[in-house]
Amino acid sequence: AAGVIQSPRHLIKEKRETATLKCYPIPRHDTVYWYQQGPGQDPQFLISFYEKMQSDKGSIPDRFSAQQFSDYHSELNMSSLELGDSALYFCASSIPNEKLFFGSGTQLSVL
Amino acid sequence: DQQVKQNSPSLSVQEGRISILNCDYTNSMFDYFLWYKKYPAEGPTFLISISSIKDKNEDGRFTVFLNKSAKHLSLHIVPSQPGDSAVYFCAAYSGAGSYQLTFGKGTKLSVIP
Repeated sequence: AAGVIQSPRHLIKEKRETATLKCYPIPRHDTVYWYQQGPGQDPQFLISFYEKMQSDKGSIPDRFSAQQFSDYHSELNMSSLELGDSALYFCASSIPNEKLFFGSGTQLSVL
Repeated sequence: DQQVKQNSPSLSVQEGRISILNCDYTNSMFDYFLWYKKYPAEGPTFLISISSIKDKNEDGRFTVFLNKSAKHLSLHIVPSQPGDSAVYFCAAYSGAGSYQLTFGKGTKLSVIP
């Protein structure tokens, strides 16, 4: 069965650079969630989209933005990267009222 | 403020025995609880869930118990198998219009053959 696809799996950037993470949800899933998991931390909710509209917002820095496109894939754009942005970024998808399915994550390292 | 707490960072259990993973929450608005299992280099995988109208949900070797008055839930795995070795996250959300999950910090379970 198709799962949530995230790309890239690993990304290395330098401070003040920008990064774009991509998420392709499971077919027919119309809701996408982004989570950030720092080293030794629990996953923290960043933002979610339902039917291409932002549905909920968590602890997402102003330097980050995200959107969901017409094919339901989502991109998380991160600018002016800081060392503290180094983390594992998970995307999850679902249909309303159903459990979330997670991708394998993108490991971002900011040097 | 940690709304979902998993106070045991790690747990070791002998193969064939019962594994009990605990989770406490503080937000009384949470009405749906989930357990996710995570292997290294993979995303969390849904394991089992329970809504606040129930106190027990069972799926094969996995059973989740919910004690609403104590704001406590637990995941029982019996019998434990080496393949169960992973990090287990407890998660919760309030079904009132938002499905964002609040996670605990996870408990690393090691099942010893």
